[in-house]
This record gives sequence, C-alpha cells and structure tokens, in this order.
Amino acid sequence: RKEVEQDPGPFNVPEGATVAFNCTYSNSASQSFFWYRQDCRKEPKLLMSVYSSGNEDGRFTAQLNRASQYISLLIRDSKLSDSATYLCVVNVGYNQGGKLIFGQGTELSVKP
Amino acid sequence: GAGVSQSPRYKVTKRGQDVALRCDPISGHTALYWYRQSLGQGLEFLIYFQGNSAPDKSGLPSDRFSAERTGGSVSTLTIQRTQQEDSAVYLCASSYQRGGQETQYFGPGTRLLVL
Repeated sequence: RKEVEQDPGPFNVPEGATVAFNCTYSNSASQSFFWYRQDCRKEPKLLMSVYSSGNEDGRFTAQLNRASQYISLLIRDSKLSDSATYLCVVNVGYNQGGKLIFGQGTELSVKP
Repeated sequence: GAGVSQSPRYKVTKRGQDVALRCDPISGHTALYWYRQSLGQGLEFLIYFQGNSAPDKSGLPSDRFSAERTGGSVSTLTIQRTQQEDSAVYLCASSYQRGGQETQYFGPGTRLLVL
C-alpha cells in the first residue's frame, strides 16, 4: 500500500464547476499535511497547508480527518487556470525522519 | 529573494557516462530533498538531508546514485554509468520549519536525457 494515495484522474470539468480531490495516508503518526499544485513541465508549488480545523483560501477549501486518515481539497467556481496536477503531501514528523511524502497526484482539466 | 536553483537545466548524455547535478537551496533552509519525476509520473523520493544528520538514502534506486551536501548548503546528485531509464526530471527542494510546519520549495529541475 502506498503511503499517500490519490485518485489519479483525470478530472475533466467545465468552468464554474465544483471539484473535490480525495487523499488517504497510511501513517497515523503523520503530523503535517499540504496540497501542492504542479503545472505541466513545471516544478510543484505549495498551494495550501491543511489544518485540523479545516481551512479556506478563496475558492479552495482543505479538510483533514485524522481519524479516517483522509485529506480533501475542494475547488469552487473552477477556472481554466486551475488546470494542473494536484499533489497531496504528508509529513511524517521529524522523529520519524521528517521527510515529506508525495502522492502521485490528481490531474484536473477545466474546459471552457 | 532567490529561490532554489539547479544546474544544468538540461543535460543530454550518452549511456555509460557519469553526470553530476547541482542544487543550491534557499539560504537558511536546513532540509534538502532530491526527487525524480519521469514523464507523466509522480514524484519519486531519492534522498533527504536534514541539518547535520545522516542522510536518508532510502529512495536511491541503485548504487549508481549518490548525493552529498557540502557545508549544509549546496548538494550534488551524481549518477554513474547512466542508463536510458535514468532519463527524467531531477527536482531538488529545500525546506524550513516554523511553528511545527515544514514548507518546501522546489527548484526548476534538471531534465536529463540519456541516449
């Protein structure tokens, strides 16, 4: 089982649609959680951190369920510019090595 | 300020040659990672440096791959006797920790093509 699993997609949605990405992680000791965005032929860039209480940044909402070891990202009113691959990222904590573990990514394509 | 830089940006080499890829992290970042990304694939973890601790080499695919980090700053990833399956984008990232959260920044990557 992969440490971080995502639906690979692709998700093809029209402009204005709401789309949700799901992610599960296997290490219950994981401490920090993030969503990254990667555009075609570019490096990944941090989109937002994910906090236990849930957090929102404009059209983007991230949720964390520690009991289910589940992370989600909701994009409302999707734009053409949202087309990218979205990467779920987990940090297992410094007492277990501290490195960030990336999911394989979910591809999103927003169409006019 | 300056971000993570990598050089060369592109490298074409013949099978069997050695290559060295360089990463200059953001100043003050204690952690440095190397990843590999093949065409259309996700990020594959290679190696992780954290401060003065021994590096986590658990992701290196074979003993042809090695990396060092000098003075807690610049890192070099070396691939010996390159093979065609080594062709990929090699990404470096550095990170810092604040308030228990780690934020990671990526360099633009080195695109390696082994002929």
